[in-house]
Amino acid sequence: KQEVTQIPAALSVPEGENLVLNCSFTDSAIYNLQWFRQDPGKGLTSLLLIQSSQREQTSGRLNASLDKSSGRSTLYIAASQPGDSATYLCAVRFNQAGTALIFGKGTTLSVSS
Amino acid sequence: SAVISQKPSRDICQRGTSLTIQCQVDSQVTMMFWYRQQPGQSLTLIATANQGSEATYESGFVIDKFPISRPNLTFSTLTVSNMSPEDSSIYLCSVRGTENQPQHFGDGTRLSIL
Repeated sequence: KQEVTQIPAALSVPEGENLVLNCSFTDSAIYNLQWFRQDPGKGLTSLLLIQSSQREQTSGRLNASLDKSSGRSTLYIAASQPGDSATYLCAVRFNQAGTALIFGKGTTLSVSS
Repeated sequence: SAVISQKPSRDICQRGTSLTIQCQVDSQVTMMFWYRQQPGQSLTLIATANQGSEATYESGFVIDKFPISRPNLTFSTLTVSNMSPEDSSIYLCSVRGTENQPQHFGDGTRLSIL
């Protein structure tokens, strides 16, 4: 069964700290991997998309890496701010799962000022 | 990226009734999907909405319970039929362009069943 796991489930850090969110997946045969953020009561905002042939993607203070062989992705957030507080979701499109994105349960981040 | 509008944004419904959720996109998209997010859980794909033909449902979801329409490349509806309290969830519309493009989500419909 294809699964996506995110650790930790929750994380609290002081403002300014650099942090890493982890995502692991059970099958290395993936099409792509996407990171989202979800604010309370809102939908999902796409942050970064990494194709299977890529190793990393960067957008502003965010950097996502992909290691297919080990079944891992990390989302690095530099110089965290209170506005970064949200739930971060990792989603994988497995080759064998067709068009479906399989989601992890997310990491809820709280950045205190 | 495409702007996705979902209606209603939230509703409280009586047991046994049905509700239709609309998803409108401001540009033509190749793929449209419907997801469910149960309280405290992550997202689960209900079905892929296919233009002009029957939706493709994931395991555990059936057309009689979740009928879906997609008359064109910018609009889709999801109906939640014969609702019970277990259907209380957030229902999200999602779209994607070509195969290598990111997937985007609407703000969701928060549904509570009494």
